[in-house]
Amino acid sequence: GENVEQHPSTLSVQEGDSAVIKCTYSDSASNYFPWYKQELGKRPQLIIDIRSNVGEKKDQRIAVTLNKTAKHFSLHITETQPEDSAVYFCAASDNRLAFGKGNQVVVIP
Amino acid sequence: DADVTQTPRNRITKTGKRIMLECSQTKGHDRMYWYRQDPGLGLQLIYYSFDVKDINKGEISDGYSVSRQAQAKFSLSLESAIPNQTALYFCATGALDREEYYEQYFGPGTRLTVT
Repeated sequence: GENVEQHPSTLSVQEGDSAVIKCTYSDSASNYFPWYKQELGKRPQLIIDIRSNVGEKKDQRIAVTLNKTAKHFSLHITETQPEDSAVYFCAASDNRLAFGKGNQVVVIP
Repeated sequence: DADVTQTPRNRITKTGKRIMLECSQTKGHDRMYWYRQDPGLGLQLIYYSFDVKDINKGEISDGYSVSRQAQAKFSLSLESAIPNQTALYFCATGALDREEYYEQYFGPGTRLTVT
């Protein structure tokens, strides 16, 4: 089955700086790559996703990039704010989602 | 988001007790899932169902069972609860979007403590 890995496990950034989280996946048949944000004690919320027919997608301060050849995809958060502090999960799917173990992002005011 | 509800939201139970966690959704999504999340860890899939007659084991199904009573309801049971089943449990639903990719939506979670 699909195996998704996330790096780094914890990331601390100064407010206003950028944060980048990278995920790798194993199954070349995967074609859907969502990112979820989970605030403390709350449910994971879908924040952005990318499909295999595109290489990059942006939504305000967040963007995702996909490299199907290398089987990795990344989440980019620009101009980080304290409310961006959370755990971020990547996932990959061709029919069923496989999640990475999550990245703790800490934005330091 | 899909309207996904979970009951109870918090539960404390004793070792050896049988407990059921319930999940309901009002959006008509065909797929439903149960995940477990331990503190500081990721999401582990327990069981999933693609429709009422289709139930599949996930990564960590031992000690758990499920029932898909209707398209809108998917219940998770712990037959004989043990302390290492203390965790946060999430139900999720899956629905095809316009491009025929399955988006997944999570319920609010049930915090279960087994003493």
